[in-house]
Amino acid sequence: EDQVTQSPEALRLQEGESSSLNCSYTVSGLRGLFWYRQDPGKGPEFLFTLYSAGEEKEKERLKATLTKKESFLHITAPKPEDSATYLCAVQAWTGNQFYFGTGTSLTVIP
Amino acid sequence: DVKVTQSSRYLVKRTGEKVFLECVQDMDHENMFWYRQDPGLGLRLIYFSYDVKMKEKGDIPEGYSVSREKKERFSLILESASTNQTSMYLCASRGRLALSTDTQYFGPGTRLTVL
Repeated sequence: EDQVTQSPEALRLQEGESSSLNCSYTVSGLRGLFWYRQDPGKGPEFLFTLYSAGEEKEKERLKATLTKKESFLHITAPKPEDSATYLCAVQAWTGNQFYFGTGTSLTVIP
Repeated sequence: DVKVTQSSRYLVKRTGEKVFLECVQDMDHENMFWYRQDPGLGLRLIYFSYDVKMKEKGDIPEGYSVSREKKERFSLILESASTNQTSMYLCASRGRLALSTDTQYFGPGTRLTVL
């Protein structure tokens, strides 16, 4: 069964304190792994798509990496405006469905 | 710029009422999705549609139905609302699977409360 697990559930960081969020997945043939940011009361906003092991994508203070079993979202020198819930999703080659993790709630304290 | 809109941001209904949630996308996408999001459970797929008048059940279709009469519009219907359907409802769309591994684009969500 296709599955996505994110850890930790919640993370509190001081401003400038770098860290990583984890997304572990099991899927029968990975078509794509997707990272989203979601602010309270809003819809998820697309960040990155990763397609194959070894791939990396960067955007400002965020960097996403992918292995055959997991993905990491690295946050370098975070700022309070990076506070949000970060969601991970995978899509298999078979089917149109995305499978979402439950997210990591990130709080960055000034 | 990509745009997915939902008919209401907040909705309060009574048990037993019929509820319509509408979603419109302006990207000419074939695929559209309805999810609900609950704390600790993440996003769960209710229904999706891969073409006009076509639909497939997701993981939790019970108590819901959908309608896709036009390509840009996908409606979620709660035939008889119940309190356990209180949730955040999110609509998403994406391009044709065969041509793209592009992401899903989400609307702003509808917070539905059933009293």
